[in-house]
Amino acid sequence: KAGVTQTPRYLIKTRGQQVTLSCSPISGHRSVSWYQQTPGQGLQFLFEYFSETQRNKGNFPGRFSGRQFSNSRSEMNVSTLELGDSALYLCASSLEGLAGGNTGELFFGEGSRLTVL
Amino acid sequence: KNQVEQSPQSLIILEGKNCTLQCNYTVSPFSNLRWYKQDTGRGPVSLTIMTFSENTKSNGRYTATLDADTKQSSLHITASQLSDSASYICVVSSYFSASKIIFGSGTRLSIRP
Repeated sequence: KAGVTQTPRYLIKTRGQQVTLSCSPISGHRSVSWYQQTPGQGLQFLFEYFSETQRNKGNFPGRFSGRQFSNSRSEMNVSTLELGDSALYLCASSLEGLAGGNTGELFFGEGSRLTVL
Repeated sequence: KNQVEQSPQSLIILEGKNCTLQCNYTVSPFSNLRWYKQDTGRGPVSLTIMTFSENTKSNGRYTATLDADTKQSSLHITASQLSDSASYICVVSSYFSASKIIFGSGTRLSIRP
C-alpha cells in the first residue's frame, strides 16, 4: 500500500514569489490536512480538505491557500513568499479527517522543505 | 487558550534504559490525544491514539498514559534502542477549536550507546 507522497521534496524560492506544493494521499483516504513545521513554532495546522471541501482552517494569513481534486490529491499554494515562510510543509491523509471525535490515524508524508531567500 | 506543553525539551539517555516524556494540555473540549515519533528530516509516525475513556495504550516498547482529569499524558519508552533517537510530539484534538488539532513543541530524545 503506497504511502503519502509529497512533491517536490526540496525547493528554493525568493521573496515575493509564489509556490505550489502537491500531496497525494493514501488510496481511499478523502481527508488531506496540511501543516507547517519550523524550529521556532513547531508544527502548526494550516487547513484540511475533505472530499474537495475545506473543512477546517488554522490561523494563517490568506496568502496560504489550498485545494483538493476529485481524486483526493491536494495542493497548497503560498503567494508573495516571505522569509518566514521557510519551513517543512507536511501533509497527512486519513479516512475520517479531523472532525471532532474522529480518532482515525493520520499518515504523514515526508514533507516539502521550502527555503525562501 | 488551547495549549499543549511538553517536557523535557530534550533528553539524553543510555541505550537500554527507560524514559518517560510528559505532555500537559489545556485543550477543551478534549477529543483525543496522540503521540508521534518524528525522525530528523522525516514525517511524523503515529505511536498511540487515546480518547477520554482510555487510561493506557501500548505499542511495543511504547506505553502512553492519559489522565483526563489532570489533563496530563506521558509516554514511557522501555529498554531504549538507538533507533528511538527522534523527536516525540504530543498532539491534542479539540471538538470545537477552529484549528482542531494542537501540537506540542516536542521532546528531542537522544539515545547514547
